[in-house]
Amino acid sequence: AQSVTQPDIHITVSEGASLELRCNYSYGATPYLFWYVQSPGQGLQLLLKYFSGDTLVQGIKGFEAEFKRSQSSFNLRKPSVHWSDAAEYFCAVMNSGYSTLTFGKGTMLLVSP
Amino acid sequence: KAGVTQTPRYLIKTRGQQVTLSCSPISGHRSVSWYQQTPGQGLQFLFEYFSETQRNKGNFPGRFSGRQFSNSRSEMNVSTLELGDSALYLCASSDSRGGDTEAFFGQGTRLTVV
Repeated sequence: AQSVTQPDIHITVSEGASLELRCNYSYGATPYLFWYVQSPGQGLQLLLKYFSGDTLVQGIKGFEAEFKRSQSSFNLRKPSVHWSDAAEYFCAVMNSGYSTLTFGKGTMLLVSP
Repeated sequence: KAGVTQTPRYLIKTRGQQVTLSCSPISGHRSVSWYQQTPGQGLQFLFEYFSETQRNKGNFPGRFSGRQFSNSRSEMNVSTLELGDSALYLCASSDSRGGDTEAFFGQGTRLTVV
């Protein structure tokens, strides 16, 4: 069965600093990978997705992620964090043939002034 | 195009009662999935419906059930509520064309069981 690991439960970054959130997946076939962001009490907003092709994908709000098959990773990056980026971030893999997702436990991003 | 709509946004129920949550997907989307989100367990898949048929099911007890109507709207029902059922319930819709499909989430229904 597929699984997703986000090793960092909390991360604190200074405003303006760069950010990298880690995600490792376990999946037998070529994975469909996603990053979602969730503000408190809200639903999930899609930041970016990887299906195939270029392994560096660009998303909304200045985020990007790189798919590395050899490391089974799909890390999320942003060059300069803004205070409004403070939220919880979820990495997910899609179940092939369906539309269902397996999520990591999430990483809470705190942004310090 | 309207997004995924979940009603109600908030619910308070008593242990032992039952509850029904509703989800209206994006127009044209035929797949609806439900997820439970709790601080301890994170986001867990409940079930997926496609064209009125349950296509996939997560590891939840039979107290959790769902259905989908011909207009793709979906409901989920939880019977004999337990305190541990308190959670944010999220619905997601997709066009489920296969391949590069993505899921769009609603704002969720916050269920509190007292």
